[in-house]
Amino acid sequence: DVKVTQSSRYLVKRTGEKVFLECVQDMDHENMFWYRQDPGLGLRLIYFSYDVKMKEKGDIPEGYSVSREKKERFSLILESASTNQTSMYLCASSSRQEGADTQYFGPGTRLTVL
Amino acid sequence: QQQVKQSPQSLIVQKGGISIINCAYENTAFDYFPWYQQFPGKGPALLIAIRPDVSEKKEGRFTISFNKSAKQFSLHIMDSQPGDSATYFCAASIGGDDKIIFGKGTRLHILP
Repeated sequence: DVKVTQSSRYLVKRTGEKVFLECVQDMDHENMFWYRQDPGLGLRLIYFSYDVKMKEKGDIPEGYSVSREKKERFSLILESASTNQTSMYLCASSSRQEGADTQYFGPGTRLTVL
Repeated sequence: QQQVKQSPQSLIVQKGGISIINCAYENTAFDYFPWYQQFPGKGPALLIAIRPDVSEKKEGRFTISFNKSAKQFSLHIMDSQPGDSATYFCAASIGGDDKIIFGKGTRLHILP
């Protein structure tokens, strides 16, 4: 079974802090994604990565950056956390093999910025 | 063009009833239409998916109906059970593009 793990289930940070959210997948997937989930807004793509050291902006990259130094690990960084970044953050991974369209999600990190 | 519009935002159905969630898209290049199911405290997981070469796909109590000309697709849950209470996301993607475009989700509650 594919397993995507996220470093924290709940996180509370203060405005202006630098925040790191970590995601690890164990299926040797090429693609990794970071989404945020807010009520009524669904899943919005922040950043994604097709390969190690590769990153692409999603729909809402402002205020975020990412790092992918190893294939299995994809980190989301909030350079200076703000209250409007309070949200549920979901990591996902998928294979680039033809026909392998499924994204596998982690359990999410609920981040509260005070 | 890249949006997938999902309705309703929330749905309450009696146990044993049929739950129906609808989605519409504009981009005719979409060629893969999955549905994801998310239980509270969990990440979304693939439930069922369809490609536009068929008009219907059934897996157990879950059926996707696909209308290519209308650019619409829907999820039907037959004999809905309290354990089906979850948030459902429709989605669409283009072959060769690893990104998936998600609808905004439907919170489904099945009354016992």
